Amino acid sequence: EPEVTQTPSHQVTQMGQEVILRCVPISNHLYFYWYRQILGQKVEFLVSFYNNEISEKSEIFDDQFSVERPDGSNFTLKIRSTKLEDSAMYFCASSVGDVGPQHFGDGTRLSIL
Amino acid sequence: QQQVKQSPQSLIVQKGGISIINCAYENTAFDYFPWYQQFPGKGPALLIAIRPDVSEKKEGRFTISFNKSAKQFSLHIMDSQPGDSATYFCAATDSGGGADGLTFGKGTHLIIQP
Repeated sequence: EPEVTQTPSHQVTQMGQEVILRCVPISNHLYFYWYRQILGQKVEFLVSFYNNEISEKSEIFDDQFSVERPDGSNFTLKIRSTKLEDSAMYFCASSVGDVGPQHFGDGTRLSIL
Repeated sequence: QQQVKQSPQSLIVQKGGISIINCAYENTAFDYFPWYQQFPGKGPALLIAIRPDVSEKKEGRFTISFNKSAKQFSLHIMDSQPGDSATYFCAATDSGGGADGLTFGKGTHLIIQP
């Protein structure tokens, strides 16, 4: 069964550094999403992406965040200047349509020191 | 108004019993309600989903009951098995205008005792 893959599984970064999280969505999916889950808390929506532009974003997704689809397969989340509170699991998801099943990857654990 | 409230926070059920997890929402624009199962170290995996035009949907041992007037929906796991031990999240979104993200509940940590 096709799946969403995320790399790396764990990223450790110094505060203030830039970090890029990578995702390969399911190949025939057109909508892409990033979510985060702070340890012990609920999953929170960050941003959705369709047709090479942001479709929706939450209040969490401020100017330090950006997303990109640099080629036909990858979807990336960049955090420009990381803060301690950015430490979380970051999940990528994809879906065929704008409403319907979203399929999640296994996440990248981001640890900011 | 965007919140989805989920209860209980944790639940222990004997093997073979029925596990019931409840969620309530406020945003009347929500029209898609999925349930996700998450094992430690893994991403959420879609279990079952419902739209408000039906009051119940069943897939195997998993059933969603939906009460539109009360703005509540619940997950029932029949004949609960130790392998069902996981964290369960309800979620909701609306289909109007753009790819809105899912709004998740806080999760229920389910333990099925053998």
